Amino acid sequence: SQTIHQWPATLVQPVGSPLSLECTVEGTSNPNLYWYRQAAGRGLQLLFYSVGIGQISSEVPQNLSASRPQDRQFILSSKKLLLSDSGFYLCAWSGGGVQETQYFGPGTRLLVL
Amino acid sequence: KQEVTQIPAALSVPEGENLVLNCSFTDSAIYNLQWFRQDPGKGLTSLLLIQSSQREQTSGRLNASLDKSSGRSTLYIAASQPGDSATYLCAVINNAGNMLTFGGGTRLMVKP
Repeated sequence: SQTIHQWPATLVQPVGSPLSLECTVEGTSNPNLYWYRQAAGRGLQLLFYSVGIGQISSEVPQNLSASRPQDRQFILSSKKLLLSDSGFYLCAWSGGGVQETQYFGPGTRLLVL
Repeated sequence: KQEVTQIPAALSVPEGENLVLNCSFTDSAIYNLQWFRQDPGKGLTSLLLIQSSQREQTSGRLNASLDKSSGRSTLYIAASQPGDSATYLCAVINNAGNMLTFGGGTRLMVKP
């Protein structure tokens, strides 16, 4: 069966520090991968999605970036965190075909102070 | 641009009640609609997926309907239980791609 992992589970970082969140998927090949952010009191916002290694599409302009160095690994990064980057970050995967069910990871709670 | 709205934002009911959660979307050109459940501080769990050609889907005590032409979906929960307490999110995928657009969610509390 397929599983999706995210780490760390919780992170507290100072403003201006770098960020690296990791997401890995097991049990499937060539998945579509997604990064979402859920800010306090707001809905889920799609940040990035990837249909293959090295292929990243960005949905919103921001100081975050994403990379997909391996088929089942998706990384969310920042060189300098802002206070507004605080939130709950969720990674998801779906089958390689379009418009399939997305399965979500457990999330990473990020607090920028 | 697709916009998804969920009403009510929060709902508190006594155990055993049947309840309806509403979801509306502005662009009817959707491929499918999904309902998710999110427990506090956790990821999302997919509950039901309705293809655009379908009218409803059922899973246990859950029934989701879709009226694509009017841009509406409802999630019906029968005989609610305290364990149903969570935030329920609906999301749509437009024909144009494979990205989900989420509503703001309905936070449900079922009191014993």
